Amino acid sequence: DTGVSQDPRHKITKRGQNVTFRCDPISEHNRLYWYRQTLGQGPEFLTYFQNEAQLEKSRLLSDRFSAERPKGSFSTLEIQRTEQGDSAMYLCASAYSGNTIYFGEGSWLTVV
Amino acid sequence: GIQVEQSPPDLILQEGANSTLRCNFSDSVNNLQWFHQNPWGQLINLFYIPSGTKQNGRLSATTVATERYSLLYISSSQTTDSGVYFCAVDYTGTASKLTFGTGTRLQVTL
Repeated sequence: DTGVSQDPRHKITKRGQNVTFRCDPISEHNRLYWYRQTLGQGPEFLTYFQNEAQLEKSRLLSDRFSAERPKGSFSTLEIQRTEQGDSAMYLCASAYSGNTIYFGEGSWLTVV
Repeated sequence: GIQVEQSPPDLILQEGANSTLRCNFSDSVNNLQWFHQNPWGQLINLFYIPSGTKQNGRLSATTVATERYSLLYISSSQTTDSGVYFCAVDYTGTASKLTFGTGTRLQVTL
């Protein structure tokens, strides 16, 4: 099994630009999650997919954020019109049957 | 929403020492997981333990669901155990929305 893969690992962008992160889950994992983590805090839930269906979204996910999981495989998280407050690590995780979840290494975003 | 508190917030141990980390949660849960976040940010799943006791090498965990707490035991600590330990819970049983605790930052020194 390869683990959960995230790309890019690091992104520096100017305020107002759009950014997109990609996540490739562990193969055959039907559940995929996005979390956000800021320095000194625990991860916060953003959104959850079961196969291609986005079943839950956090109130943290403003209208500038959109996530997709076409065909129930990889997922993308796009942030439009980035703000400095979006600077964080974006974590993707996957699971099979909703038990043990496995995290990727994260994508660090810095908005300058 | 559910509240998850961990103690102690910080812990410094000498290599070889044992420790107990605690996680208290405010409501009934049917999914509880312990994670270790290493200094490079990678979150590693240690245990899926909504109830009962599990052991994996030098680590073991116990969850008493009826009393709303879980304990993580680290024995014979090593420098590679350093990092932040998180407890995460979910009440749906599907892990659709894990709520993470505040974390315990552990530093193991030589």
